[in-house]
Amino acid sequence: TQLLEQSPQFLSIQEGENLTVYCNSSSVFSSLQWYRQEPGEGPVLLVTVVTGGEVKKLKRLTFQFGDARKDSSLHITAAQPGDTGLYLCAGEQTGANNLFFGTGTRLTVIP
Amino acid sequence: GAGVSQTPSNKVTEKGKYVELRCDPISGHTALYWYRQSLGQGPEFLIYFQGTGAADDSGLPNDRFFAVRPEGSVSTLKIQRTERGDSAVYLCASSLNAGATDTQYFGPGTRLTVL
Repeated sequence: TQLLEQSPQFLSIQEGENLTVYCNSSSVFSSLQWYRQEPGEGPVLLVTVVTGGEVKKLKRLTFQFGDARKDSSLHITAAQPGDTGLYLCAGEQTGANNLFFGTGTRLTVIP
Repeated sequence: GAGVSQTPSNKVTEKGKYVELRCDPISGHTALYWYRQSLGQGPEFLIYFQGTGAADDSGLPNDRFFAVRPEGSVSTLKIQRTERGDSAVYLCASSLNAGATDTQYFGPGTRLTVL
């Protein structure tokens, strides 16, 4: 059972389009992280958000942590083929050191 | 610098056999984590070490799974009497310290296939 549900599960878009990936839970997290994973590799950290309502930008990627710290979103502007990969959200709960990963969103950007 | 490495990259075994999966963390990292990622899913936590001791093994699915980190560096995940349902990618991660926002660096994983 995974605490974090991501939507959509699969997303295929044309280069230049915008997209948003959602990560939702009924549980509260002390921090939430977004990773990107490519085939045959481990997840690579993109960003960590720790404050409810926090917004972080990383070039064309915008990450938001929900006010109640139960959900997050990742918005990509003008997607490029290099953005293709599996996007994972992961949360940490107070008192635990391990990460609870979401179900993943597999993004394909078509040139 | 060297990242987290895992060996072997692929392991094929038969049902009922014993396997060992190795993880070499980043030098100086005190925390080490094992996760299992099934096809089409996000990683699921198995066990976490702080130094030599297993600080949290609540994610191990049953007593066929065991992990050690005898010198506080390299870790081995051991699976006895493997079952087809154990097939997955086993990921190892390390972080400098254990903590809510300490970055975990992941290895490439070992793909285990149980026939």
